[in-house]
Order: sequence, then structure tokens, then C-alpha cells
Amino acid sequence: QSVLTQPPSVSEAPRQRVTISCSGSSSNIGNNVVSWYQQLPGKAPKLLLYSNDLLPSGVSDRFSGSKSGTSASLAISGLQSEDEADYYCAAWDDSLSGVVFGGGTKLTVL
Amino acid sequence: QLQLQESGPGLVKPSETLSLNCTVSGGSISGSSFYWGWIRQPPGKGLEWIGSVSHSGSTYHNPSLKSRVTISVDTSKNQFSLRLNSVTAADTAVYYCARHVITGIAGGNWFDPWGQGTLVTVSS
Repeated sequence: QSVLTQPPSVSEAPRQRVTISCSGSSSNIGNNVVSWYQQLPGKAPKLLLYSNDLLPSGVSDRFSGSKSGTSASLAISGLQSEDEADYYCAAWDDSLSGVVFGGGTKLTVL
Repeated sequence: QLQLQESGPGLVKPSETLSLNCTVSGGSISGSSFYWGWIRQPPGKGLEWIGSVSHSGSTYHNPSLKSRVTISVDTSKNQFSLRLNSVTAADTAVYYCARHVITGIAGGNWFDPWGQGTLVTVSS
């Protein structure tokens, strides 16, 4: 059971917009920033967003992030088939003095 | 361009010690302000942070694994290492190494880039 809670799966049609939620508590998301990772099938995870809403160099601006209270969200606009992947949120947890991940969300582009 | 590569045995017997190295190329561990981390992923499951080490040997550990984990750094080889003792089948996973940026501000931290990962199976 992961400390951060994500929906196991989401699906949406191409060219549409989808959001993935990540719910935590005051010891992690409520007090700290969130990062997001994309894991394509059979590949290593890749940093998608950091510090809630910052895009690393080379990441498409179709990806965006936000945080409110103890929850965070990843939004993907203009969905493409190559966006099919598992997405993970992560944050520092002050109680555990370490990093916690969400359980991951599998995105299917219909 | 910074690259990381995991190496080590792909098969470990139950109750023995899992040992992995991560070799960093395209940049130096020594003197950098970054941490260097280990993350694992059991087959078909999610990511679990194991721990991270700085160039000077300071460490953070996942409390659930701390009693079994040793993470160390060898700046002369530009490598850092993971040792996990008393392994069981539950430790079977793909093990990733990654650069761990820890800003010290609002818990800011992220892993980038990641190695390709190495599958370690615990079985007799």
C-alpha cells in the first residue's frame, strides 16, 4: 500500500485532455513539492515534472502539474498514442524522512 | 550527458546479500552537490525508494529497509553501491540507480536521470 494514492488506471481518446490525481497527507504533499515520472512499457522511469509544475528540458509542454493542499495533479493535453505509459507521483515525507511514491497510474489512449 | 549504469548478479539466494554497483559517466560524483539514489520495482508493481548517498557518504534510507541496507560511494571509481542483506523472494525486483537532486527547500527532490535498471531475482 503506497503512501501516496493514485487511481490505478485512466483512459481517454486521442487529442483529448486527461488528469491523474495524487493524494497524500500533511507530512508529504501538504508540506512539500511533488515530482512526476513517466514509465513507458519496458523502460526506466523518466522525470516528467518537478517542484509541482516545472518541466525539465526536453519535456513537452503538453504536460502540466498543479498542487492544492494535500493533493497534486498531472494533466496531459492533446493526448497521443505515445503517451500510453505508467505515471508516478513522488514527494518527500517529513515523518518518514524519505521519499514516497504513488502506486502508479496506467494511462490508456483509446 | 550524464549516464548511469547498474551492474551486479541477476540471481541471489534467499538469506544472502544482494550487491549492486552504479557507475556514473559523463559527470563526476566527487564534489557534486547531488545525492545518488537507489529505487526498486517488483515485477508488475510500483516504485519504491531504497535510499540515497552523497559524495561525502551522507545517507538517507527508507525506514522500512534501513536495517538491511547499506549504501556507499566510491568517488575514485565514480560509483555508488547498494548492499541489501538477508534477502527473500519479496526483494525480487528491477533495481534502478539515479541521480537524486535534493534542494533542501520545501522538500524539493527528484530523480534524474535514471539508469536502465537491472533485474535481480531471489531464488534458490
